[in-house]
Parts: sequence; C-alpha cells; structure tokens
Amino acid sequence: DADVTQTPRNRITKTGKRIMLECSQTKGHDRMYWYRQDPGLGLRLIYYSFDVKDINKGEISDGYSVSRQAQAKFSLSLESAIPNQTALYFCATSALGLAGKDTQYFGPGTRLTVL
Amino acid sequence: QQQVKQSPQSLIVQKGGISIINCAYENTAFDYFPWYQQFPGKGPALLIAIRPDVSEKKEGRFTISFNKSAKQFSLHIMDSQPGDSATYFCAASPQGGSEKLVFGKGTKLTVNP
Repeated sequence: DADVTQTPRNRITKTGKRIMLECSQTKGHDRMYWYRQDPGLGLRLIYYSFDVKDINKGEISDGYSVSRQAQAKFSLSLESAIPNQTALYFCATSALGLAGKDTQYFGPGTRLTVL
Repeated sequence: QQQVKQSPQSLIVQKGGISIINCAYENTAFDYFPWYQQFPGKGPALLIAIRPDVSEKKEGRFTISFNKSAKQFSLHIMDSQPGDSATYFCAASPQGGSEKLVFGKGTKLTVNP
C-alpha cells in the first residue's frame, strides 16, 4: 500500500463549485504539504503544516484553505473553484531526517480540471 | 523571488550520452541540496542529495557536483537511458532543518533510444 494517498485522483468540476482534495499518510510524519504543479512553473507551495495545530500559508495560498484533521490527514479546499486553478495537486509529507534535514515524500497527485 | 534557479527547462539527450542539469541559488543559508525525479503520472521522489561540505556525490550513474563559491550545483546523469526520461527538480533547504524545501522549476529530460 502507498504511504501517501490522495483522493480523488482525477476531478472535473465547474466554476464556483466547492472542492475538497484529501491526503492521508501512514508514514507517521508530522509535516504535511500541499503543492500545485503547472507546466513550466514547477512545484509551488500552497499550504504546509508542521503539526496538527500548525497551519502556514505558502507561496500561493489565495483561493485555497486547508484542514489538518489529524496527524495523518491534511485536506485542501477550493471554496469557489475557478478555471485558473486547473492543475496537478500534490500532497507531501516529511520528517526531520539525517542531520535534521527534510526528505519529502509525495503522493501520486490529483488532476483537477475546472470548467 | 525565485530562490533556486534551474536550467535548462527541457533537455533532449541520446541514449548513452551525458545529461547535465544546473541550479543556482542566492541564499547562503542553504545547506542541503536534494534532487527529485518525477515520472509521468507520479509524484516526485528523492533521487540524490548533497551537503556543502563535499564537492561531489555519486550514486550509480547519478552525480551531484557542488560549487559553494559560485553557489551552483548540478546533476549529471552518465550513460543516459530512455528510462531516465522524467522531470528533475533541484531543491534547497536552509540551516536548521525547520524550514521547508525550496524547489527549482524543473527540467524535463527526454532520452532518445
């Protein structure tokens, strides 16, 4: 079984709809992240959480919100989806490893299309 | 402000050739430099990483070269294979380990048979 799972894997929705993307992990990591990937723009950080009570905005948080329901679950919401939020979304987890450095483990991604 | 600049955006190499991807950074507080590999339809995965106390790290056909004075690091893929075709991201992390990774924009590598 995958250590980091994302649901749904694909989603097509309409402008103005509320969408929730879910991420679960079995790695026991405290840190979780949501990224957005667009061609030519790489990975851009939306939100991150270093523990259940810690939520931080990333580079492109406008139009998104998150919820850290438990150590293992981190959800991303689009309150009112718009077409330019069409992208590939990745969840990642990490823990301080060798010499205190992060290694991030990514989920398989969710392809979101907003019509 | 882009903290880690990666080039080229795309790269085409013949089988058996050497693939070279370059990254540059400005923040001297960075002290950990990983490379991630992403295959189509998959999430990125850690490939190899280096600390600035060494100038080179090799794992199989993959080598990171690090130039601290120039604030540059690069990934070299020797004897490139079609199975290496993927998108590669460089990243950097500042001292202390409490901060998140900063990623480059990625390089799409295609290795032709």
